[in-house]
Amino acid sequence: KAGVTQTPRYLIKTRGQQVTLSCSPISGHRSVSWYQQTPGQGLQFLFEYFSETQRNKGNFPGRFSGRQFSNSRSEMNVSTLELGDSALYLCASSLAPGGSNTQYFGPGTRLTVL
Amino acid sequence: AQKVTQAQTEISVVEKEDVTLDCVYETRDTTYYLFWYKQPPSGELVFLIRRNSFDEQNEISGRYSWNFQKSTSSFNFTITASQVVDSAVYFCALSDYNAGNMLTFGGGTRLMVKP
Repeated sequence: KAGVTQTPRYLIKTRGQQVTLSCSPISGHRSVSWYQQTPGQGLQFLFEYFSETQRNKGNFPGRFSGRQFSNSRSEMNVSTLELGDSALYLCASSLAPGGSNTQYFGPGTRLTVL
Repeated sequence: AQKVTQAQTEISVVEKEDVTLDCVYETRDTTYYLFWYKQPPSGELVFLIRRNSFDEQNEISGRYSWNFQKSTSSFNFTITASQVVDSAVYFCALSDYNAGNMLTFGGGTRLMVKP
């Protein structure tokens, strides 16, 4: 079974631009979560989607948004990029929401903001 | 509020040594889940184990073993006879029953296994 895939793997943008990252979950998984990893803040939860609905959101500004499609694929968008948005963005999928369902992570998208 | 603490930021051992990675957590919930993930240099987080709060049985999987103690709010991870391929950053994480998929991660422990 294929794992979680994320595209693109690497991205370079300039301040003020916007970016869209894509995540395809493991086949059969309907829940997708996003995390940001930076050297300073570590791994932080961004948001979680299930059945095309955002169920939970972390403490991030409104510039960070996401959505989920009917095939469970998810995208996240960051508008008006800032230097501090440079990070590894990780997507995780699980069968359904809840800690009883293990989340499996993709390889991440490394975003660099210049 | 949930919190996970991994006090060891970096550990260096020589191959074949045993090593224990510590994890201490805080939560107000009585139902919660604990996880360990491995992050090799490629960046992907690799799932290692999940434990729920009602299952305090220790677990062994090959060279890996986990010790879950609710009395001390700890979920420690031991690698026996370490190998160079074990070199990675290891993360402990917590998910409360009511938190959906939100994982709270510790700061990670970088393990370096030297030949």
